[in-house]
Amino acid sequence: GESVGLHLPTLSVQEGDNSIINCAYSNSASDYFIWYKQESGKGPQFIIDIRSNMDKRQGQRVTVLLNKTVKHLSLQIAATQPGDSAVYFCAENSGYSTLTFGKGTMLLVSP
Amino acid sequence: KAGVTQTPRYLIKTRGQQVTLSCSPISGHRSVSWYQQTPGQGLQFLFEYFSETQRNKGNFPGRFSGRQFSNSRSEMNVSTLELGDSALYLCASAAFPSGTGDTQYFGPGTRLTVL
Repeated sequence: GESVGLHLPTLSVQEGDNSIINCAYSNSASDYFIWYKQESGKGPQFIIDIRSNMDKRQGQRVTVLLNKTVKHLSLQIAATQPGDSAVYFCAENSGYSTLTFGKGTMLLVSP
Repeated sequence: KAGVTQTPRYLIKTRGQQVTLSCSPISGHRSVSWYQQTPGQGLQFLFEYFSETQRNKGNFPGRFSGRQFSNSRSEMNVSTLELGDSALYLCASAAFPSGTGDTQYFGPGTRLTVL
């Protein structure tokens, strides 16, 4: 498949483990954050979002944590499955600005 | 509801040529944003259109241009292609403009190769 990034941070886990992917953002004025998943040869797929008035938001098997004090975002995936293998991007948004994407983290899940 | 569609999916051009890529947003979405994705630079914002008006433009040369039609479909054009323009070009649609906290949904992208 096509590579979406070289020299990406990589997280390798075993199937069934919990995964935590971290992201540091730069703009303290950002008030909306999104996690996307990108599989090889596909466009980014929305996973979960969170607004700055929240610290935590849960979805199906995923949880996003936001720490505004240190400008840090994390994505937790419970019971990671081989189908979760992909590159994960965080994105931030504020005011009239456009989405700014992080460099991405590659998640590799071994059966 | 159908997702964001992009055509063509793959394209091979030679240096100096021009190319037009097309994006059809999710039905009812009026915001379309374009991104360039390369291994070295990651996802970089090109421009955003909302209701046929360009709202934001990224830091790309004037060879990159776009437009949006009254049905919200959008096209981007790259003239005088350079080798460095080889990339995956992604289109994302949203109901409302960026900055409103509305989620952008991406298409599958157009893989452009410049020889």
